[in-house]
Amino acid sequence: SQQGEEDPQALSIQEGENATMNCSYKTSINNLQWYRQNSGRGLVHLILIRSNEREKHSGRLRVTLDTSKKSSSLLITASRAADTASYFCATGGGADGLTFGKGTHLIIQP
Amino acid sequence: GAVVSQHPSWVICKSGTSVKIECRSLDFQATTMFWYRQFPKQSLMLMATSNEGSKATYEQGVEKDKFLINHASLTLSTLTVTSAHPEDSSFYICSARLGIQRLGNQPQHFGDGTRLSIL
Repeated sequence: SQQGEEDPQALSIQEGENATMNCSYKTSINNLQWYRQNSGRGLVHLILIRSNEREKHSGRLRVTLDTSKKSSSLLITASRAADTASYFCATGGGADGLTFGKGTHLIIQP
Repeated sequence: GAVVSQHPSWVICKSGTSVKIECRSLDFQATTMFWYRQFPKQSLMLMATSNEGSKATYEQGVEKDKFLINHASLTLSTLTVTSAHPEDSSFYICSARLGIQRLGNQPQHFGDGTRLSIL
């Protein structure tokens, strides 16, 4: 079953701008992960944020987590054409598989 | 880094055919692998959890006899779509996690997926 919603479902911005995607989830979590999927390919892990963390950075990526609101955001700064992809948040893992959000399709216009 | 290989990447076959998809962890042992299904422009849905040396655990609504899973070694899980029909056409993706992970605080490593088209 889907864990929650992501918004926006689609986002188109100019190269160099920042892209922000949001994710909401329903159950309590140990961590939340973000993945990227290029068209017709598998998923690439981007970043994992633990439930006791509020913010995490990795290169041009910044993830926030608000467990009180059961929400997370992914910010990609200084976007590039190569960032065009679908982005999914996911919860779970461990002994269980991941439960994914519906995803945001990001298009970076050159 | 951990690499998961999935084969084949694309299959086109006639209705009624059984199709086997392989998922291999190339440089690590995976006691658990997962199989997901993704319809066009939708998210991934977990189908089943494949455990080495034991029976797979299927998600609600997934037919065990339709989607046969075998995890005979620590590096290989297979998904067989039996008597495939056009409605089984989808993108199937496997993932694996390293060894024993507590609390799931490690990423899963995904194969590149198999696009299955049933005519």
